[in-house]
Amino acid sequence: EEQLLESGGGLVQPGGSLRLSCAASGFTFSNYAMSWVRQAPGKGMEWVSVFSGSGGSTYYADSVKGRFTISRDNSMNTLYLQMNSLRAEDTAIYYCAKNKGTWGSSPLDYWGQGTLVTVSS
Amino acid sequence: ETVVTQSPATLSVSPGERATLSCRASQSVSSNLAWYQQKPGQAPRLLIYGASTRATGIPARFSGSGSGTEFTLTISSLQSEDFAVYYCQQYNNWPPWTFGQGTKVEIK
Repeated sequence: EEQLLESGGGLVQPGGSLRLSCAASGFTFSNYAMSWVRQAPGKGMEWVSVFSGSGGSTYYADSVKGRFTISRDNSMNTLYLQMNSLRAEDTAIYYCAKNKGTWGSSPLDYWGQGTLVTVSS
Repeated sequence: ETVVTQSPATLSVSPGERATLSCRASQSVSSNLAWYQQKPGQAPRLLIYGASTRATGIPARFSGSGSGTEFTLTISSLQSEDFAVYYCQQYNNWPPWTFGQGTKVEIK
């Protein structure tokens, strides 16, 4: 059974950094693109970033470009999101999600339970 | 960027009735559209992809239709566990991948 478990969220001051992790199990991690999606309190979904299942391609939402970095360790079946220069508007639950395919033209078929990031002084 | 718009924002339905949710894309997304269900305090769950294909384990009362820019999610007979927020997402024109703002299905 596919499982995703996020960790690393917490309270951070504006301008600070956090690194989120997502441990995957139950599927061949390296074969699939992996994404981060966030949800601000009481709001809808916002796609944040994606890492392809092959070739190492990445994309970012304009709202996080230049501040966030997505990476993956296929030997550890783990996805990461390094978040720098955090702002109050980055406050959200961050979900790790598995793409159904190797790259972008695929839906998100499994999601973790999310980790809460709160940016506040 | 492809803007995805859902309607209505809130849908009040009695158990056993049919619910029809709409999703419109600002440009064609072919059939590359998914529907997700989210219950309070839970992660989203994939219901429908490819506009009309049910995901693994999804009951037959959920059906999707449409292509291009107009899509519909139909729940044929609402069960108590179906009251939730539903999001559509396009994955044809990327980046970015874009979601609608959600439709809340509540008990009438």
